[in-house]
Amino acid sequence: NAGVTQTPKFQVLKTGQSMTLQCAQDMNHEYMSWYRQDPGMGLRLIHYSVGAGITDQGEVPNGYNVSRSTTEDFPLRLLSAAPSQTSVYFCASSSLTSGGQETQYFGPGTRLLVL
Amino acid sequence: GESVGLHLPTLSVQEGDNSIINCAYSNSASDYFIWYKQESGKGPQFIIDIRSNMDKRQGQRVTVLLNKTVKHLSLQIAATQPGDSAVYFCAERPGGSYIPTFGRGTSLIVHP
Repeated sequence: NAGVTQTPKFQVLKTGQSMTLQCAQDMNHEYMSWYRQDPGMGLRLIHYSVGAGITDQGEVPNGYNVSRSTTEDFPLRLLSAAPSQTSVYFCASSSLTSGGQETQYFGPGTRLLVL
Repeated sequence: GESVGLHLPTLSVQEGDNSIINCAYSNSASDYFIWYKQESGKGPQFIIDIRSNMDKRQGQRVTVLLNKTVKHLSLQIAATQPGDSAVYFCAERPGGSYIPTFGRGTSLIVHP
């Protein structure tokens, strides 16, 4: 299994441009989520999905859209990039284990710079 | 609002020592706690977890302790190695929620 994959690894945008960060997982996990990580900070939840066709907002959703048309894919869209969105973005997927617990697997991250 | 936080932003230890990383949480509804390790340039990696009906859980060289009375979580790493150098995050998940909330992280530096 490839686990959680993210593309691109790096991206530079100009203010106002739009783009989509791709995330895919091959573990048949129900739950997927997007986080951003800023220097010296923990991970802040942007959006999450508990299954195909179901998405919800996290802590910092403004400026981002998501969709979940398939179990495998969970793209994150920046509608009009702003310098405040310069960050490292992590996608994660998880599933409930037989013991009722959840192990969350993270992708390698996308480093985004908005000029 | 309620949050997960860490007492020490940076911890420096000598190789072979035991390391203890602490975490305070304030959401009394949290019933599941996780520790993650994040190496430079990589995504967080699951280390160990614990449910609220337990107070201790051991893994390979790692032990997590949970004190619900004072809402405190700790990660103990035995015989710390240079490869343990990383940022460690604790995360909590309230009952009924699918997604954990992360603390700010502690940087562990292991000196050879």
